Amino acid sequence: NAGVMQNPRHLVRRRGQEARLRCSPMKGHSHVYWYRQLPEEGLKFMVYLQKENIIDESGMPKERFSAEFPKEGPSILRIQQVVRGDSAAYFCASSLIWDFNEQFFGPGTRLTVL
Amino acid sequence: AQTVTQSQPEMSVQEAETVTLSCTYDTSESDYYLFWYKQPPSRQMILVIRQEAYKQQNATENRFSVNFQKAAKSFSLKISDSQLGDAAMYFCAYRSAGTGTASKLTFGTGTRLQVTL
Repeated sequence: NAGVMQNPRHLVRRRGQEARLRCSPMKGHSHVYWYRQLPEEGLKFMVYLQKENIIDESGMPKERFSAEFPKEGPSILRIQQVVRGDSAAYFCASSLIWDFNEQFFGPGTRLTVL
Repeated sequence: AQTVTQSQPEMSVQEAETVTLSCTYDTSESDYYLFWYKQPPSRQMILVIRQEAYKQQNATENRFSVNFQKAAKSFSLKISDSQLGDAAMYFCAYRSAGTGTASKLTFGTGTRLQVTL
């Protein structure tokens, strides 16, 4: 059973470009969480999605950031018009259902904005 | 909102010795879950141990155990017989017991553990 997959592992963008980060949850998992880790900091929650629904986006910046988890395909975290402050590691986690089931983390995508 | 505090940015332990990492949290909830995650240089987040707040018994996983003090809102991690492979960042995390918006994990800032020969 493959774990949570994220791609790309490393992404370099120039200021003003768009970044698209992909997350394929573990097989059978229908809940996806995105977290951001700034250098030398802990992970900060961004958004929680179920298939085709955003459940909690309280941690997501209001502008430039969006997330989706379509019925088919991976979850996408999209950052428009990136700025240097967006440079961070972005982690995706998935769980089977909402309750106490463990959130399994992917390896993360390291975004560097030049 | 819940907060998680790890007051030890760095810790060092000799191989085969025991080390304790501290974590405190603030919440008004009575039911919740607490976790310790390990993040080695590969950056992969690995669940080390978890504790349900309603359980009085401290969780144990092989060489890893916790000291859960609910009244004091303290959740420390003890690593026994430390090994070189234990060197990593360790994050304490909190999760509410509810659903929906309660599902997210709140992390502390981490403790970097060094293991020396």
